[in-house]
This record gives sequence, structure tokens and C-alpha cells, in this order.
Amino acid sequence: DAGITQSPRYKITETGRQVTLMCHQTWSHSYMFWYRQDLGHGLRLIYYSAAADITDKGEVPDGYVVSRSKTENFPLTLESATRSQTSVYFCASSESGGYNEQFFGPGTRLTVL
Amino acid sequence: SQQGEEDPQALSIQEGENATMNCSYKTSINNLQWYRQNSGRGLVHLILIRSNEREKHSGRLRVTLDTSKKSSSLLITASRAADTASYFCATPRTQGGSEKLVFGKGMKLTVNP
Repeated sequence: DAGITQSPRYKITETGRQVTLMCHQTWSHSYMFWYRQDLGHGLRLIYYSAAADITDKGEVPDGYVVSRSKTENFPLTLESATRSQTSVYFCASSESGGYNEQFFGPGTRLTVL
Repeated sequence: SQQGEEDPQALSIQEGENATMNCSYKTSINNLQWYRQNSGRGLVHLILIRSNEREKHSGRLRVTLDTSKKSSSLLITASRAADTASYFCATPRTQGGSEKLVFGKGMKLTVNP
């Protein structure tokens, strides 16, 4: 399917466990982004990537790890999940960092117990 | 920190009425973007207006940009119940030589049938 997909859509995990959220896009966009959305905070950038093997921190990177070995995939890993990481996570892709529109995935709702 | 701030934070109108949302930002920009988010979904790009444009239309949407006041407005004419959603403005910010979008906290629009 064309577009941008995220998996899983819903995830419940326990404090201290490692969790990986997947993101896949079919447009060969250079840029990919991970955001988290929380009530009262809007959308906050966690990490972004300008190309394969190039990643950079966003506004709230602590506790998260990313990699980008292939252009189309941008997984986000919570190495040791905490309750404060309970959130809705969105992946997005774009031809550029800020000059063009971003295309968003459907989101992953993560609950950390 | 926030770059764009939407105003008002919530708006409730009747179907058929016009809805106006405002966005103020702090630093110089080369474009400003508006996104919509339906409940439980990812963000969808609505319109991008560049810094050398003052007004742009897309269907029932009209966006203006006043760079001297560092503000933008999104007008939805003849609103429909399906326009009920949260609306976000986003502006580019340069960090470490690359640009990324910074989103406002969003504005919730309710269109009553």
C-alpha cells in the first residue's frame, strides 16, 4: 500500500520493557520524523532524520533511540519504557525538513503501565 | 518552545457559518502550514503559504499571511459537521543547519449540525 504506515496501532507494555514502534513510507521521502502528542502539549518532535544514516534530536529525545538504515523505515525504540512515555506517537515523512508538507501516519497509541 | 500559537483554542459554531482561526509566530519564516486532525487520526496537510504570498485559497479554505504582524489566519467558509476537528499551524525552525516544523498546540473546532 502506498503511503505511510505505523505499527503497531496500539500497544500496552510495562515499565522497564523495551518497545519498538515501526514506521514505513513508500514515497522515498528524504525526511522522516517522530512526534508524540499529549494533551496540553500539542505535537512535540522526538527525533528526525534527513536521510538514511542521518538522525538528529528534536525537542524531547530523552529515553528514545532511532535508526535509519533504509530510506523507507524509521523505527523508534523506547529502551526502558516509563509511564511518562504513555502517549500517541506519530511518524511523518516529507521531501524536506520544513519547506514542504509533511505526511503523517495513523499513529500508535502506547500505554505504559 | 512554541513557535506558532493558535487562537482561539476552541471554537463552536453552527453548520453553514464561517470559522476563523488565527496563528501567531515569533521568528521570521519562509512558509507557514495548516494541518487538520480528526479525532483518533493523524494530521492531514491542508495548505502551505509561502512568505512572499499574502493569501491563498483551496476550496472552502482561505489562508492569509501577514509577515509584518507575524500572524496567519485560516478561514473555513460554509462550515460542515465534517469540518469538526483540531487545526494546527506549523512553521519551520532551523536547528543545526537543518529545518524542521514546529507545531502549535492546536485549536479544536466543533461544527454543530
